[in-house]
Formats: sequence, C-alpha cells, structure tokens
Amino acid sequence: GQNIDQPTEMTATEGAIVQINCTYQTSGFNGLFWYQQHAGEAPTFLSYNVLDGLEEKGRFSSFLSRSKGYSYLLLKELQMKDSASYLCAGERSNDYKLSFGAGTTVTVRA
Amino acid sequence: NAGVTQTPKFRVLKTGQSMTLLCAQDMNHEYMYWYRQDPGMGLRLIHYSVGEGTTAKGEVPDGYNVSRLKKQNFLLGLESAAPSQTSVYFCASRIDERTGELFFGEGSRLTVL
Repeated sequence: GQNIDQPTEMTATEGAIVQINCTYQTSGFNGLFWYQQHAGEAPTFLSYNVLDGLEEKGRFSSFLSRSKGYSYLLLKELQMKDSASYLCAGERSNDYKLSFGAGTTVTVRA
Repeated sequence: NAGVTQTPKFRVLKTGQSMTLLCAQDMNHEYMYWYRQDPGMGLRLIHYSVGEGTTAKGEVPDGYNVSRLKKQNFLLGLESAAPSQTSVYFCASRIDERTGELFFGEGSRLTVL
C-alpha cells in the first residue's frame, strides 16, 4: 500500500478555512485522489492531482508535492453541509489501484 | 442516470449463512471493484474485475468470492458468513484501469451475528 496518513478529526467554524493534510509513501506513487463522504453515503470524487502544485475548484483546492509525499485539501468559506469525512487515496503506479487513508472527519460548527 | 447501484442496502445474517451482494453500473465501465469500510480504517479492496468474465484478488479476499458474467454487473458472495465480515461494503467502477475517478455505489451494510 501507500501508507496513507491523515488526521482523524478536525473542527472548524462556519465561514472559516480548514486544511486537511495527507502524507503518503512516495515509492510507487502515481497520483492522489480526494473524496468526500457524508455519513451513511457513498464517497464522491473531489479532486485528482498527478502534478505538483495547487488545483482550485470553487471553494475546494487540492495541493500535491510529489517529492515530499504530501498533499492537502483546502476547504474555504466552510458551510454546514461540508461536515463529512474526507478520504485521501494514493494511486499506485504499477497497477493504478487506490490505497485509502482512514479519512478525516470534519465538523463545521455554527 | 443511476450510476452505480448496490442491492441490498442492509442485511443481517447469522454466522454460517451465505449471501450475495449485487452491484450494477450503467456507465459501460470496464473496471469494477468491491471494497469494505470499517471504523478507523481506510477502504480496503476485496476483489476487482478488469472486464467481463475476469476477476482478481485485492488486499483482503479471504472469505469472499466474486463473479462478473455481464459487464454491467459485479457480484460479491459470502459462502459462510463470519462476524468479522460485519462491515459496510462499497462497489465502485472506473472507465478503465487508469482513466478518471472511481464512482461508488451507496454501500451495503452487512451485520453477521
């Protein structure tokens, strides 16, 4: 696997910014996915990074540093509906399978 | 546009019983996957399929069997259920091996008593 590591929980206030970090094993790495999963629901795709740098999609941005084995997901202007688990997944270069982290539960408070 | 559909959504089994989970996708995807999700752990790959008529083992295949007789369907079977198989099972599909994201079904919650 990719030894994906991400924090278990984070709490933030509505309207604030939260950054979820993810580290992974760099050997055999191809790309990095972020998924959002609301309680009791399916994971839904947020972003995919294969090159170094920041990619922005509306209120969500994802960053990748291949040399450091590091990624983060940035959630801006937090809304109550952003309360969910955020899954980091590394894509392996040999077979393109995904190795998932345990997920970071983000709680947004009013 | 249904995407990925799993049935049943919930099931309670007794130890030793058998059952089959059905996954259906209407996106003409080649690759299909079965994962299990347990508290405090990432999604773990059970089995996957690279096309109709093919299956392969993932990280945690023991106690499970799969079949892909039709491209749109991927079945996960438990021949003799054990309490350790209590989990939420997710099916996913992908266009091919390396293109695009995985699309997930809504999950099937299985409890083995």
